[in-house]
Amino acid sequence: QSALTQPASVSGSPGQSSTISCTGTSSDVGGYNYVSWYQQHPGKAPKLMIYDVSNRPSGVSNRFSGSKSGNTASLTISGLQAEDEADYYCSSYTISSTRVFGGGTKLTVL
Amino acid sequence: EVQLLDSGGDLVQPGGSLRLSCAASGFTFSSYAMSWVRQAPGKGLEWVSDISGSGRTTYYADSVKGRFTISRDNSKNTLYLQMNSLRAEDTAVYYCGKGTADFWGGYDYWGQGTLVTVSS
Repeated sequence: QSALTQPASVSGSPGQSSTISCTGTSSDVGGYNYVSWYQQHPGKAPKLMIYDVSNRPSGVSNRFSGSKSGNTASLTISGLQAEDEADYYCSSYTISSTRVFGGGTKLTVL
Repeated sequence: EVQLLDSGGDLVQPGGSLRLSCAASGFTFSSYAMSWVRQAPGKGLEWVSDISGSGRTTYYADSVKGRFTISRDNSKNTLYLQMNSLRAEDTAVYYCGKGTADFWGGYDYWGQGTLVTVSS
């Protein structure tokens, strides 16, 4: 199972919005509504930000939103804050009853 | 409060074995799928294995299938990963994760991670 494709890095200024894409195939992202997104700060465990494409767990800021179109899912962070600077990973269920992660995207808040 | 405590990581020689544990508290352990996810030094996340709440159903990444075994003891609220025939490429921080109410929905809580180093 090949990793999902994410941009290596994205950036944005405080207060602006930034979107991270996650491209798979019809056998994973495109075929199921089981896309999740994780935030990871250096040396820390990942944190779930979005599950089932667009659902936010309790306690996650509503500045984080998820969507999907075809084989590409997206995570949008609005009103960027310094604390949003981190690595972000997408993940999807696959047709083989496994999971696959994206390669990760480093978000820099300028 | 949900807590997951990973342990068992160590330095092991290629071909060796190791068992990781994840002690869970703060939720009804048997009601949720659990998982292992690893992260090689400086690299991204890699899914390793999932297990259903009952323990009857398991899933593995191709990279570990036949070498790793996931299991759980619901009476002890503990998740395990038995790792055999270890290779250098298995070197990573291993995290346990708690599944959401929807089995494939994601992992809403994570352990702090335990480091496995495979080297001679």
